[in-house]
Amino acid sequence: DAGVIQSPRHEVTEMGQEVTLRCKPISGHNSLFWYRQTMMRGLELLIYFNNNVPIDDSGMPEDRFSAKMPNASFSTLKIQPSEPRDSAVYFCASSLGGATNQPQHFGDGTRLSIL
Amino acid sequence: GQQVMQIPQYQHVQEGEDFTTYCNSSTTLSNIQWYKQRPGGHPVFLIQLVKSGEVKKQKRLTFQFGEAKKNSSLHITATQTTDVGTYFCAGRGSGGYNKLIFGAGTRLAVHP
Repeated sequence: DAGVIQSPRHEVTEMGQEVTLRCKPISGHNSLFWYRQTMMRGLELLIYFNNNVPIDDSGMPEDRFSAKMPNASFSTLKIQPSEPRDSAVYFCASSLGGATNQPQHFGDGTRLSIL
Repeated sequence: GQQVMQIPQYQHVQEGEDFTTYCNSSTTLSNIQWYKQRPGGHPVFLIQLVKSGEVKKQKRLTFQFGEAKKNSSLHITATQTTDVGTYFCAGRGSGGYNKLIFGAGTRLAVHP
Protein backbone atom coordinates (compact mmCIF):
# COMPACT_ATOMS: atom_id res chain seq x y z
CA ASP A 1 0.00 0.00 0.00
CA ALA A 2 1.26 3.47 -0.83
CA GLY A 3 2.09 5.65 2.12
CA VAL A 4 1.98 9.42 2.30
CA ILE A 5 3.67 10.81 -0.78
CA GLN A 6 5.49 14.13 -0.71
CA SER A 7 7.20 16.06 -3.46
CA PRO A 8 9.74 17.28 -4.08
CA ARG A 9 12.14 15.33 -1.81
CA HIS A 10 14.67 18.15 -1.94
CA GLU A 11 14.32 21.80 -2.87
CA VAL A 12 17.07 24.38 -3.04
CA THR A 13 16.11 27.89 -4.00
CA GLU A 14 17.11 31.49 -3.47
CA MET A 15 15.45 33.70 -0.93
CA GLY A 16 12.48 35.60 -2.24
CA GLN A 17 11.33 32.77 -4.47
CA GLU A 18 8.00 31.02 -4.08
CA VAL A 19 8.17 27.45 -2.82
CA THR A 20 5.35 24.92 -3.15
CA LEU A 21 5.41 21.61 -1.31
CA ARG A 22 2.98 18.88 -2.22
CA CYS A 23 1.40 16.01 -0.35
CA LYS A 24 -0.82 13.06 -1.21
CA PRO A 25 -2.25 11.45 1.94
CA ILE A 26 -3.01 7.78 2.34
CA SER A 27 -6.25 6.92 0.56
CA GLY A 28 -9.14 6.90 3.01
CA HIS A 29 -7.42 9.09 5.59
CA ASN A 30 -9.40 12.24 6.25
CA SER A 31 -6.96 14.10 8.49
CA LEU A 32 -3.84 15.75 7.12
CA PHE A 33 -1.05 17.51 8.98
CA TRP A 34 1.89 19.65 7.91
CA TYR A 35 4.92 19.69 10.22
CA ARG A 36 8.24 21.49 10.13
CA GLN A 37 11.34 19.94 11.68
CA THR A 38 14.51 21.81 12.61
CA MET A 39 17.31 21.11 15.05
CA MET A 40 16.47 24.21 17.05
CA ARG A 41 12.69 23.88 17.28
CA GLY A 42 12.11 20.16 16.80
CA LEU A 43 8.89 18.94 15.21
CA GLU A 44 6.27 21.69 14.97
CA LEU A 45 2.71 21.32 13.75
CA LEU A 46 1.98 24.01 11.17
CA ILE A 47 -1.59 23.21 10.16
CA TYR A 48 -4.16 20.44 10.47
CA PHE A 49 -6.98 19.65 8.01
CA ASN A 50 -9.96 17.43 8.67
CA ASN A 51 -12.16 16.48 5.71
CA ASN A 52 -10.26 19.05 3.62
CA VAL A 53 -11.13 21.89 6.03
CA PRO A 54 -8.38 23.69 7.99
CA ILE A 55 -9.09 23.09 11.67
CA ASP A 56 -5.98 24.47 13.34
CA ASP A 57 -3.53 26.81 11.64
CA SER A 58 -2.14 28.32 14.82
CA GLY A 59 1.29 26.91 14.03
CA MET A 60 1.64 28.68 10.69
CA PRO A 61 4.55 31.05 11.35
CA GLU A 62 3.38 34.08 9.41
CA ASP A 63 1.48 35.30 6.39
CA ARG A 64 4.20 34.09 4.05
CA PHE A 65 2.96 30.56 4.71
CA SER A 66 -0.28 29.24 3.27
CA ALA A 67 -1.76 25.76 2.92
CA LYS A 68 -4.61 24.38 0.88
CA MET A 69 -6.40 21.09 0.55
CA PRO A 70 -8.59 21.29 -2.55
CA ASN A 71 -9.62 17.63 -2.32
CA ALA A 72 -9.16 14.54 -0.18
CA SER A 73 -6.09 13.37 -2.05
CA PHE A 74 -3.97 16.47 -2.35
CA SER A 75 -2.58 19.29 -0.25
CA THR A 76 -0.03 22.04 -0.79
CA LEU A 77 2.07 24.17 1.52
CA LYS A 78 3.28 27.38 -0.04
CA ILE A 79 5.91 29.84 1.14
CA GLN A 80 6.00 33.20 -0.58
CA PRO A 81 8.43 34.90 -0.37
CA SER A 82 10.85 32.35 1.08
CA GLU A 83 13.57 33.30 3.57
CA PRO A 84 16.72 31.46 4.74
CA ARG A 85 15.13 30.83 8.15
CA ASP A 86 12.48 28.71 6.40
CA SER A 87 15.13 26.07 5.71
CA ALA A 88 13.94 22.86 7.35
CA VAL A 89 12.47 19.44 6.65
CA TYR A 90 8.74 19.69 6.02
CA PHE A 91 6.68 16.60 6.73
CA CYS A 92 3.15 15.82 5.73
CA ALA A 93 1.25 13.23 7.76
CA SER A 94 -2.21 11.72 7.51
CA SER A 95 -4.46 9.74 9.82
CA LEU A 96 -7.88 8.10 9.93
CA GLY A 97 -10.66 10.01 11.61
CA GLY A 98 -10.18 13.22 13.54
CA ALA A 99 -7.18 14.33 15.52
CA THR A 100 -8.00 12.10 18.46
CA ASN A 101 -6.57 8.68 19.05
CA GLN A 102 -5.26 7.73 15.64
CA PRO A 103 -1.60 7.24 14.75
CA GLN A 104 -0.16 9.63 12.23
CA HIS A 105 1.55 8.30 9.12
CA PHE A 106 4.37 10.53 7.89
CA GLY A 107 5.70 11.02 4.39
CA ASP A 108 9.41 11.03 3.61
CA GLY A 109 9.52 14.81 3.92
CA THR A 110 10.80 17.66 1.77
CA ARG A 111 14.24 18.96 2.69
CA LEU A 112 14.07 22.68 1.91
CA SER A 113 17.13 24.90 1.68
CA ILE A 114 16.70 28.63 1.11
CA LEU A 115 19.95 30.33 0.11
CA GLY B 1 -0.10 26.13 26.80
CA GLN B 2 0.56 22.45 26.89
CA GLN B 3 4.21 21.44 26.87
CA VAL B 4 5.84 18.05 26.54
CA MET B 5 9.38 17.71 27.86
CA GLN B 6 11.57 14.77 26.99
CA ILE B 7 14.88 13.70 28.50
CA PRO B 8 17.64 12.97 27.89
CA GLN B 9 18.38 14.80 24.68
CA TYR B 10 21.10 12.35 23.70
CA GLN B 11 22.10 8.92 24.92
CA HIS B 12 25.10 6.88 23.88
CA VAL B 13 25.14 3.21 24.91
CA GLN B 14 27.16 0.12 24.19
CA GLU B 15 25.30 -2.57 22.32
CA GLY B 16 23.60 -4.80 24.87
CA GLU B 17 23.04 -2.03 27.42
CA ASP B 18 19.58 -0.83 28.35
CA PHE B 19 18.14 2.56 27.41
CA THR B 20 15.31 4.68 28.80
CA THR B 21 13.77 7.95 27.66
CA TYR B 22 11.32 9.93 29.76
CA CYS B 23 8.48 12.20 28.78
CA ASN B 24 6.71 14.71 31.05
CA SER B 25 3.71 16.90 30.34
CA SER B 26 2.70 20.12 32.03
CA THR B 27 -0.94 19.02 31.82
CA THR B 28 -2.91 15.79 32.04
CA LEU B 29 -2.89 13.89 28.77
CA SER B 30 -5.73 11.97 27.15
CA ASN B 31 -3.22 9.73 25.45
CA ILE B 32 0.43 9.55 24.50
CA GLN B 33 2.02 8.20 21.36
CA TRP B 34 5.61 7.16 20.70
CA TYR B 35 7.40 7.49 17.38
CA LYS B 36 10.84 6.48 16.10
CA GLN B 37 12.75 8.40 13.46
CA ARG B 38 15.79 6.78 11.89
CA PRO B 39 18.59 9.12 10.74
CA GLY B 40 17.47 10.77 7.50
CA GLY B 41 14.04 9.21 7.80
CA HIS B 42 10.60 10.18 8.94
CA PRO B 43 8.80 9.56 12.25
CA VAL B 44 7.18 6.13 12.40
CA PHE B 45 4.42 5.36 14.88
CA LEU B 46 5.33 2.78 17.49
CA ILE B 47 2.52 2.68 20.01
CA GLN B 48 -0.24 4.57 21.83
CA LEU B 49 -1.02 4.52 25.55
CA VAL B 50 -4.41 5.64 26.80
CA LYS B 51 -5.10 4.25 30.27
CA SER B 52 -3.63 5.46 33.55
CA GLY B 53 -0.75 3.20 34.59
CA GLU B 54 -0.81 1.33 31.28
CA VAL B 55 2.19 -0.79 30.33
CA LYS B 56 2.70 -2.19 26.85
CA LYS B 57 5.52 -4.25 25.42
CA GLN B 58 6.85 -4.71 21.92
CA LYS B 59 9.64 -7.29 22.01
CA ARG B 60 12.52 -5.48 23.77
CA LEU B 61 10.59 -2.20 24.09
CA THR B 62 8.47 -1.42 27.17
CA PHE B 63 6.19 1.60 27.25
CA GLN B 64 4.61 3.02 30.41
CA PHE B 65 2.00 5.69 31.04
CA GLY B 66 2.03 7.28 34.48
CA GLU B 67 -0.80 6.96 36.97
CA ALA B 68 -1.52 10.67 36.72
CA LYS B 69 -1.32 10.54 32.91
CA LYS B 70 1.29 13.28 32.90
CA ASN B 71 4.39 11.23 32.21
CA SER B 72 5.53 8.28 30.15
CA SER B 73 8.66 6.27 29.49
CA LEU B 74 10.14 4.03 26.85
CA HIS B 75 12.64 1.40 27.95
CA ILE B 76 14.71 -0.68 25.55
CA THR B 77 16.32 -3.82 26.93
CA ALA B 78 19.64 -4.98 25.50
CA THR B 79 19.96 -2.39 22.76
CA GLN B 80 20.98 -3.37 19.26
CA THR B 81 22.46 -1.26 16.47
CA THR B 82 19.07 -1.35 14.76
CA ASP B 83 17.66 0.69 17.67
CA VAL B 84 19.62 3.75 16.54
CA GLY B 85 17.43 6.79 15.91
CA THR B 86 15.46 9.49 17.65
CA TYR B 87 12.54 8.51 19.84
CA PHE B 88 9.71 11.01 20.21
CA CYS B 89 6.83 11.04 22.60
CA ALA B 90 3.75 12.96 21.54
CA GLY B 91 1.01 13.87 23.95
CA ARG B 92 -2.53 14.99 23.41
CA GLY B 93 -4.35 17.09 25.97
CA SER B 94 -7.72 16.13 27.35
CA GLY B 95 -11.03 17.79 26.54
CA GLY B 96 -12.23 18.68 23.06
CA TYR B 97 -9.85 19.03 20.16
CA ASN B 98 -6.24 19.09 21.19
CA LYS B 99 -3.36 18.75 18.83
CA LEU B 100 -0.58 16.27 19.34
CA ILE B 101 2.41 17.97 20.95
CA PHE B 102 5.73 16.32 20.21
CA GLY B 103 8.58 16.21 22.67
CA ALA B 104 12.03 17.26 21.49
CA GLY B 105 13.07 13.63 21.13
CA THR B 106 15.90 11.52 22.50
CA ARG B 107 18.63 10.63 20.06
CA LEU B 108 20.00 7.16 20.71
CA ALA B 109 23.42 6.07 19.50
CA VAL B 110 24.42 2.43 19.94
CA HIS B 111 28.09 1.49 19.74
CA PRO B 112 28.85 -2.09 18.66
